[in-house]
Amino acid sequence: NAGVMQNPRHLVRRRGQEARLRCSPMKGHSHVYWYRQLPEEGLKFMVYLQKENIIDESGMPKERFSAEFPKEGPSILRIQQVVRGDSAAYFCASSPEGGHQFFGPGTRLTVL
Amino acid sequence: DQQVKQNSPSLSVQEGRISILNCDYTNSMFDYFLWYKKYPAEGPTFLISISSIKDKNEDGRFTVFLNKSAKHLSLHIVPSQPGDSAVYFCAASPSWGGYQKVTFGTGTKLQVIP
Repeated sequence: NAGVMQNPRHLVRRRGQEARLRCSPMKGHSHVYWYRQLPEEGLKFMVYLQKENIIDESGMPKERFSAEFPKEGPSILRIQQVVRGDSAAYFCASSPEGGHQFFGPGTRLTVL
Repeated sequence: DQQVKQNSPSLSVQEGRISILNCDYTNSMFDYFLWYKKYPAEGPTFLISISSIKDKNEDGRFTVFLNKSAKHLSLHIVPSQPGDSAVYFCAASPSWGGYQKVTFGTGTKLQVIP
């Protein structure tokens, strides 16, 4: 049983470009969470999704950020018009109903 | 507002000795507490958890203690091994089961010296 997969592992974008981060949850997991870790900080909750539904996006910036978890395919975190402050490690986690969150290896986004 | 605080950014311990990592929280709605371990370039890995109805939970070399009145928890690792060297995150959630909105601390980097 493969773990949570995230790709790409490293992503470099110039200011103003779009960043797309993908997360494939573990088999059988219907809950997906996205976190952001800035340098020297802990993980900050961004958004919680179930298939085709955003349940809680209270941690997501109101502009430029969006997330989806379609019926088929991976969950996508999309950042439009990236700025230098978006440089961070983005972690995805998945869980079964009522279970612990299992984390992916993260995507390190660098904005030049 | 940092609701989960790990005031020691780093800790060095000799191999074989006890490692004690501390965590304080401010939100009295937190009901479930977790510790995660993170190696560089990897995602956090769940280590151990404790519900607010308990004051201690043990799993092999790892024990978590919870003092609800002081809003304090600690992770004890005995004996410490070099492979335990990692960043440890304390985390808390207002509930268990279903949706878990987990709040993380800033982490403590543990170095176990051989």
